[in-house]
Amino acid sequence: ILNVEQSPQSLHVQEGDSTNFTCSFPSSNFYALHWYRWETAKSPEALFVMTLNGDEKKKGRISATLNTKEGYSYLYIKGSQPEDSATYLCAFAGTASKLTFGTGTRLQVTL
Amino acid sequence: DSGVTQTPKHLITATGQRVTLRCSPRSGDLSVYWYQQSLDQGLQFLIQYYNGEERAKGNILERFSAQQFPDLHSELNLSSLELGDSALYFCASSAAAGSSETQYFGPGTRLLVL
Repeated sequence: ILNVEQSPQSLHVQEGDSTNFTCSFPSSNFYALHWYRWETAKSPEALFVMTLNGDEKKKGRISATLNTKEGYSYLYIKGSQPEDSATYLCAFAGTASKLTFGTGTRLQVTL
Repeated sequence: DSGVTQTPKHLITATGQRVTLRCSPRSGDLSVYWYQQSLDQGLQFLIQYYNGEERAKGNILERFSAQQFPDLHSELNLSSLELGDSALYFCASSAAAGSSETQYFGPGTRLLVL
């Protein structure tokens, strides 16, 4: 059974704060690490797919880093806005085709 | 809008019954995935099809089956339904089959078994 863990489980920040969360995954048989953004009553939306150790990806105010040797990825949000409120999921892909999802970090951004 | 469509949006049925969930992938995508989201669990991978062939299998029960048709749409069949099968079922699609492919999720089908 693969363990993909995300922390914290939930986070409450003020508008304008920068924040980050962690995804931990097995450091062996790594193939890819996915990040998704999941707003309430919608479907998960792909943010990044990362495949190489040391990868850094950026999309607007959101960025992610990857360390496959130690088995973690960080997602950063700079200057959080209320529209960033969502659950952020990471998913680990080993050598098999399937993705194993973490349970997510629920972010709430208030004014 | 991801371009992935799922029908129906909601389904209410009784224990012991059988239902079929339908998914149409994004135009041009060859791979389709099915996921289950239960109340107390994260997204669980069920099964993947690529160009009509089963590609990978996850925690899919024997009572569940799926297929992908020549037009690339997919159906997930759930039979002998139990209360615990109540969940949100997502379909996702990607251009190719590898696990580094971005997956685009449909809106989901919410199944309630009474």
